[in-house]
Amino acid sequence: RKEVEQDPGPFNVPEGATVAFNCTYSNSASQSFFWYRQDCRKEPKLLMSVYSSGNEDGRFTAQLNRASQYISLLIRDSKLSDSATYLCVVNEGGTSYGKLTFGQGTILTVHP
Amino acid sequence: EADIYQTPRYLVIGTGKKITLECSQTMGHDKMYWYQQDPGMELHLIHYSYGVNSTEKGDLSSESTVSRIRTEHFPLTLESARPSHTSQYLCASSGPPGYNEQFFGPGTRLTVL
Repeated sequence: RKEVEQDPGPFNVPEGATVAFNCTYSNSASQSFFWYRQDCRKEPKLLMSVYSSGNEDGRFTAQLNRASQYISLLIRDSKLSDSATYLCVVNEGGTSYGKLTFGQGTILTVHP
Repeated sequence: EADIYQTPRYLVIGTGKKITLECSQTMGHDKMYWYQQDPGMELHLIHYSYGVNSTEKGDLSSESTVSRIRTEHFPLTLESARPSHTSQYLCASSGPPGYNEQFFGPGTRLTVL
């Protein structure tokens, strides 16, 4: 079983749609959580950190459910520029201090 | 924007050559990382460092080596490049304890013929 699992998609949605991605992680001791965005052939860029019960940043909302060990990302009013791969990322803490585990990514395509 | 740089951005080289991929950051971060990523695939950690003179192998076995003589510099070396080393190599760094976000350089796309 992978440590961080995401639905690879692809998700194809029209502009203006609301789309949600889910991610599950296997290590209950995981301490911090992130969503990164990666454009084609580019480096990953931090989209949001998810530290406690969730984060909201404009059209983006991230939720964390520690009991069920899943993280979600909600994108409202999708824009063409939101098309990218979204990576769920987990830091396990402890002896893995500083190391991140990346999911395989969920591909989003927003069309006109 | 994160201040982390990688050179070269693209490298095409023949089998058997020694290569060094450069990574530098100006943020004073103690922790630095090297990842390998094939097109459409997930990132795999191949090396990391928690500070000067500290280097560790990552989760994916790699024939490359790294060094950390200065805080800002974390080069990766392949002694003898092979076609199986063809991939994208991404360098990242992260800051003080409690701040685990990693910031990535633009990557080096390596092709070994």
